[in-house]
Amino acid sequence: QKEVEQDPGPLSVPEGAIVSLNCTYSNSAFQYFMWYRQYSRKGPELLMYTYSSGNKEDGRFTAQVDKSSKYISLFIRDSQPSDSATYLCAMSKFSGGYNKLIFGAGTRLAVHP
Amino acid sequence: ETGVTQSPTHLIKTRGQQVTLRCSSQSGHNTVSWYQQALGQGPQFIFQYYREEENGRGNFPPRFSGLQFPNYSSELNVNALELDDSALYLCASSRTGGFSYNEQFFGPGTRLTVL
Repeated sequence: QKEVEQDPGPLSVPEGAIVSLNCTYSNSAFQYFMWYRQYSRKGPELLMYTYSSGNKEDGRFTAQVDKSSKYISLFIRDSQPSDSATYLCAMSKFSGGYNKLIFGAGTRLAVHP
Repeated sequence: ETGVTQSPTHLIKTRGQQVTLRCSSQSGHNTVSWYQQALGQGPQFIFQYYREEENGRGNFPPRFSGLQFPNYSSELNVNALELDDSALYLCASSRTGGFSYNEQFFGPGTRLTVL
């Protein structure tokens, strides 16, 4: 079983839709939870990170963490064609004095006009 | 502020060869992490360098090795290339490698194809 599970999609939605992306995890030692966006042939860029359970909002994006269920979500409101990309959830834990990111497989999102 | 850069952009090698990939970290960052991203998968942690020493490693064999230089740039070396080594190799830099959250900034990656 992978430490982080993410549905690879693809997910196709019309412009203006609300998008919900989700990940589950098995390791309760994870401390930080992140969402990265990766455009084709580019490196991942950080969208949001959270430390505790609850919601965090940034513009059209809302990240949600439920540590009791080991479940995280990213909501995108008023989705735009420019949001078409692969969305990666990532989690981190400290082990032996270093911090590594553990990623989900990524969900490919297409927003069509 | 200059971002993370990687070279080369693309590389084609044959099985059994050796390859060196390079990364320049973002200004002010002293920690570099390397990740391997196979097609359709999320990045997998290879190792991390902090102050020129490897301070963490993922489940990769010893033929994956690295260096970090005094200017915090880094190299990833892969010996005895195998077909499964074909992937996008990502470098990420951050301010410290230690006990608090520090955002890792990713470079554009080097796409390695092994024939």
